[in-house]
Amino acid sequence: SQQGEEDPQALSIQEGENATMNCSYKTSINNLQWYRQNSGRGLVHLILIRSNEREKHSGRLRVTLDTSKKSSSLLITASRAADTASYFCATDANTGGFKTIFGAGTRLFVKA
Amino acid sequence: EAGVAQSPRYKIIEKRQSVAFWCNPISGHATLYWYQQILGQGPKLLIQFQNNGVVDDSQLPKDRFSAERLKGVDSTLKIQPAKLEDSAVYLCASSQDVYEQYFGPGTRLTVT
Repeated sequence: SQQGEEDPQALSIQEGENATMNCSYKTSINNLQWYRQNSGRGLVHLILIRSNEREKHSGRLRVTLDTSKKSSSLLITASRAADTASYFCATDANTGGFKTIFGAGTRLFVKA
Repeated sequence: EAGVAQSPRYKIIEKRQSVAFWCNPISGHATLYWYQQILGQGPKLLIQFQNNGVVDDSQLPKDRFSAERLKGVDSTLKIQPAKLEDSAVYLCASSQDVYEQYFGPGTRLTVT
């Protein structure tokens, strides 16, 4: 079973708008990561947030983490057509090891 | 820095046949991962190596899947015999630490 579940499953917005994706997980974690996958390409690491952090920024990306609710959100500001991709959250379940578990992803479509 | 290399990029086989995938990680990365990504789903970890030792293979169907990492560098994933449900993209990733993973382009396997 997958640890993380993204919401929504799909999102369609206009270029310039902001896109928000959410991730919920089940067990305690050490860190949470967000990855992007463009059509037909491999996954690219976007950002990592540790369990003791609440918010992190990287360029147009803003990630928040609420460990009490076991949830995270990824905000992409001023979206571009090139942001069209699938976005996955990945957690390392705090089971004594570092096994990364991916969610099913949110498919973002940015219309030019 | 050269990325993670995988071959072949595409493979079509009939059920009950055998197939092998090859991965060359980024130089110096001690950890190597094989993931299976079925269409519409997130990547599922099949096996994780630390140098040439197996860290986690709990989701590897060991009756038909096998993997090895020669001399702690290159790795091969084999399926024998293949089933229709093995149709997926097989992703290889490597990391220097336990956090950010660098993914290869993947091998798209179609079993007919």
